[in-house]
Amino acid sequence: QVQLQESGPRLVKPSETLTLTCTVSGGSISNYYWSWIRQSPGKGLECIGYIYYSGSTQYNPSLKSRVTMSVDTSKNQFTLMLRSVTAADTAVYYCARERAFDIWGQGTMVTVSS
Amino acid sequence: QSVLSQPPSASGTPGQRVTISCSGSSSNIGTNYVYWYQQFPGTAPKLLIYLNNQRPSGVPDRFSGSKSGTSASLAISGLRSEDEADYYCAAWDDSLSVVVFGGGTKLTVL
Repeated sequence: QVQLQESGPRLVKPSETLTLTCTVSGGSISNYYWSWIRQSPGKGLECIGYIYYSGSTQYNPSLKSRVTMSVDTSKNQFTLMLRSVTAADTAVYYCARERAFDIWGQGTMVTVSS
Repeated sequence: QSVLSQPPSASGTPGQRVTISCSGSSSNIGTNYVYWYQQFPGTAPKLLIYLNNQRPSGVPDRFSGSKSGTSASLAISGLRSEDEADYYCAAWDDSLSVVVFGGGTKLTVL
């Protein structure tokens, strides 16, 4: 069955760039949308945006100026970059399949701190 | 503040039927499909209901979804202790051009 796994640094300094990669296993990345969602400690869920396997993207307007997503079909991976991070970006970051989020990664906790 | 409104908590006893509401607007629930997710502490959310009232394979038929106007509901019948979790609703928002979530409802099985 399809599985997703997030990877990347767990600690990022303020003003730097958070970069996470999601690896898709058990299936192809082609023909699907792939999403990033985050959940701040003790709070609800926020959709960061999504990318189609062909590379087209749509980002949450509240984060659009700081977000870039990319996809590498040869590696079955997609990536999130969030620039100029602050403590408010501390959260569990999830990758998920499709805009319905039908399959989720286990999530990775990213802390923004000096 | 979340775009979709959910009660912060709900509770019921084993065997009971519980409903969780989700209120939105014409730009989200009013014109788009509603999704529900179940999340246990320390784990990723799991898709519970899609397209307003469809269950993914493996989700018990004790879980059902409905939508009317700008509101939606998740119903859980025959409540079981293992249903104790957080439940989130979500829908696409035409004005914000992004999926928006409710703030989540913590379900306690008494």
